[in-house]
Amino acid sequence: GAGVSQSPSNKVTEKGKDVELRCDPISGHTALYWYRQSLGQGLEFLIYFQGNSAPDKSGLPSDRFSAERTGGSVSTLTIQRTQQEDSAVYLCASSLFGDTEAFFGQGTRLTVV
Amino acid sequence: RKEVEQDPGPFNVPEGATVAFNCTYSNSASQSFFWYRQDCRKEPKLLMSVYSSGNEDGRFTAQLNRASQYISLLIRDSKLSDSATYLCVVNPSSGTYKYIFGTGTRLKVLA
Repeated sequence: GAGVSQSPSNKVTEKGKDVELRCDPISGHTALYWYRQSLGQGLEFLIYFQGNSAPDKSGLPSDRFSAERTGGSVSTLTIQRTQQEDSAVYLCASSLFGDTEAFFGQGTRLTVV
Repeated sequence: RKEVEQDPGPFNVPEGATVAFNCTYSNSASQSFFWYRQDCRKEPKLLMSVYSSGNEDGRFTAQLNRASQYISLLIRDSKLSDSATYLCVVNPSSGTYKYIFGTGTRLKVLA
């Protein structure tokens, strides 16, 4: 089981609630990415972590979204006060270095009702 | 102009056909390029990296044209199992290494 692991695989939440999505990258990978994919759409970049450098947060759609990566490994994406438009599949990926191929987890399907 | 553009298709081709997709990118400083494959309701999976000299992996050939800022993917002898969405991915390498994904080209191989 050396792949990228995400949990939960599915999450249904009520509008206005906070949610936390977790990503366990491949061991030894220094780079970690979060993307979002709405139904029938392409992948939207959210945030990128590289080692101990400051993350690239340029893709976060609003201040309700935040992410952290503890100890250079596990990452948590938090969405506060969820809205219906937040419904999507949230994909995490990791790569050995910043410019090598990225490997994806199976995603968390978030539904806000 | 989008950073990465692809023809969404769908491309409907018979088994055994050869099919090619192009993808254009806007940042001339981009350094890394990849093709990913995504099946319906699944995560993207790496198909192949794209090297400056071009590269081949079995029935798949990828090429990079820096002058015209596009990459291509050629699939020979198409199989039913090749039916998927093919995503072009560019790493702009401009101080950050976030990958920019195209919206994908949908391929359907028909029996």
